[in-house]
Amino acid sequence: GEDVEQSLFLSVREGDSSVINCTYTDSSSTYLYWYKQEPGAGLQLLTYIFSNMDMKQDQRLTVLLNKKDKHLSLRIADTQTGDSAIYFCAENNNAGNMLTFGGGTRLMVKP
Amino acid sequence: DTEVTQTPKHLVMGMTNKKSLKCEQHMGHRAMYWYKQKAKKPPELMFVYSYEKLSINESVPSRFSPECPNSSLLNLHLHALQPEDSALYLCASSHSFGGLVDTQYFGPGTRLTVL
Repeated sequence: GEDVEQSLFLSVREGDSSVINCTYTDSSSTYLYWYKQEPGAGLQLLTYIFSNMDMKQDQRLTVLLNKKDKHLSLRIADTQTGDSAIYFCAENNNAGNMLTFGGGTRLMVKP
Repeated sequence: DTEVTQTPKHLVMGMTNKKSLKCEQHMGHRAMYWYKQKAKKPPELMFVYSYEKLSINESVPSRFSPECPNSSLLNLHLHALQPEDSALYLCASSHSFGGLVDTQYFGPGTRLTVL
């Protein structure tokens, strides 16, 4: 079956870069997503990447996809305290529009 | 506009109460979803509606009853819930379901507490 895994926790200092990693097993994944969830809030779509891409950059966010190793990462440049949240990666394959979520990575940004 | 709205923001109910959660989107999306999220866990899919018809029911207990009165609205009717049903209930929508891969946009959620 499908499985998406993330590390549980990441702590960085304000101004540093953060890298959140994700691995997945479903080779038929067509889109991979990063969602951000602040305490008590819903999921905010941050960015997504299509499986035929290696990299996507959007302002402070850089997504890297290694399809061979089934590894996805999200780099946040110049991390701010407002970036503190839980980050979920999710995959979506073309067998319908079902998302499989990773367990989430809690990012803590220290001032 | 990529906004999905949900009401109420918080809900406290007893095990004998009947209540409803509401979700609305005006993006012209034809697929809408209900998820349940427990603390420190990812969202778990409950139901999917496509073109106002129920497409997926992930073996959800019958005390949760979804309804899609039109393409913009999605309700979740609650009856005889248990304390373990306390969670954040998230609604999402996407352009379509089942044919094209499409991005899901989430609402802010309803925090439900069952006493």
